[in-house]
Amino acid sequence: NAGVTQTPKFQVLKTGQSMTLQCAQDMNHEYMSWYRQDPGMGLRLIHYSVGAGITDQGEVPNGYNVSRSTTEDFPLRLELAAPSQTSVYFCASSYSGGDSHQPQHFGDGTRLSIL
Amino acid sequence: AQSVTQPDIHITVSEGASLELRCNYSYGATPYLFWYVQSPGQGLQLLLKYFSGDTLVQGIKGFEAEFKRSQSSFNLRKPSVHWSDAAEYFCAVGPILTGGGNKLTFGTGTQLKVEL
Repeated sequence: NAGVTQTPKFQVLKTGQSMTLQCAQDMNHEYMSWYRQDPGMGLRLIHYSVGAGITDQGEVPNGYNVSRSTTEDFPLRLELAAPSQTSVYFCASSYSGGDSHQPQHFGDGTRLSIL
Repeated sequence: AQSVTQPDIHITVSEGASLELRCNYSYGATPYLFWYVQSPGQGLQLLLKYFSGDTLVQGIKGFEAEFKRSQSSFNLRKPSVHWSDAAEYFCAVGPILTGGGNKLTFGTGTQLKVEL
């Protein structure tokens, strides 16, 4: 199994550009989420989804949009990229969106720089 | 609101020495507790988790953690560190509720360096 796959691994954008970070999982997990990781701040939840067609905001949702049209895919879109969004982005998935004791499986991350 | 504190940003130990990484949490009740490890350039890997029962939990790679309700702590330990354990370690808490999703709150991480 591939697990959680994130693309691209690296990306450089200019301020104001838009892009979509892709996340796919092949484990039939109901729950998927996006985190950003910044030095000294750990991981912070951006958006999450408990199943296809259902999404909700996390701790730091501003500037990001998500959709969940299928169980497998959970893309993260930046409409107007800003330097403050320079970060490492991680996608994660797990079974059973209602029970937080199910361990999350993480992708290898997307390193995004916005100039 | 739930929160996690990892008071040690960096820790250096000698190979073969014992290790303890500290984690304190703030939550209204007993949450689910996790330790994850992140190697350079990689995603996070689950080391162990606690959600009920025995307060001493065993994980992968020889790690263990002890839940102490009275101290709101969930410290990670390893009796003998190997050079390959050098990585960043994250403690995380999740709410015990159903239907609310898997909303983990992470600590800021502890960077472990192992001296040979």
